[in-house]
Amino acid sequence: DADVTQTPRNRITKTGKRIMLECSQTKGHDRMYWYRQDPGLGLRLIYYSFDVKDINKGEISDGYSVSRQAQAKFSLSLESAIPNQTALYFCATSGVSGRTDTQYFGPGTRLTVL
Amino acid sequence: GNSVTQMEGPVTLSEEAFLTINCTYTATGYPSLFWYVQYPGEGLQLLLKATKADDKGSNKGFEATYRKETTSFHLEKGSVQVSDSAVYFCALSESGSSASKIIFGSGTRLSIRP
Repeated sequence: DADVTQTPRNRITKTGKRIMLECSQTKGHDRMYWYRQDPGLGLRLIYYSFDVKDINKGEISDGYSVSRQAQAKFSLSLESAIPNQTALYFCATSGVSGRTDTQYFGPGTRLTVL
Repeated sequence: GNSVTQMEGPVTLSEEAFLTINCTYTATGYPSLFWYVQYPGEGLQLLLKATKADDKGSNKGFEATYRKETTSFHLEKGSVQVSDSAVYFCALSESGSSASKIIFGSGTRLSIRP
């Protein structure tokens, strides 16, 4: 079984709809992240959480919100989706190994906003 | 701020050719450096990493050396295979125990012809 899972894997929605993307992990990591990937732009950090009570904005948090329901679950919401939020969304987790912080990624959710 | 610059793709090579993908970084302190690979339809996977100057990361025939004097972490492979076709991301982890954020380059798409 995959260590980091995301649901749904694909979603098509309309402008103005509320959308939730879910992420679960079995790695026992405290730290979880949400990124979006756009062609030619690499990955950009939306939100990150270092533990259940710690939520931080990334570089592109506007239009998004998150919820850390448990150590293993981190959800991303688009309260009112707009077409420029069409992208590939990745969840990632990390533990802390000395000063090296490798991140482990889920398979991604492809979101299309019409 | 910290940043990562990598060569633009796409890069197209014949099987068994030598590969170099250039990556340079800007950072304060002493970041850790990573190469991640994204195969079609999948999330990112860690390919290799280096945590201090002159360290060499290696995996699956790929190598990269952390060069502080030139702020570079170029990815190399002596003989590529069709199965190496993917998008490759150079990344750095900001130093400091509370940071734990990774900054990604924009990615380089590699295609290998049989």
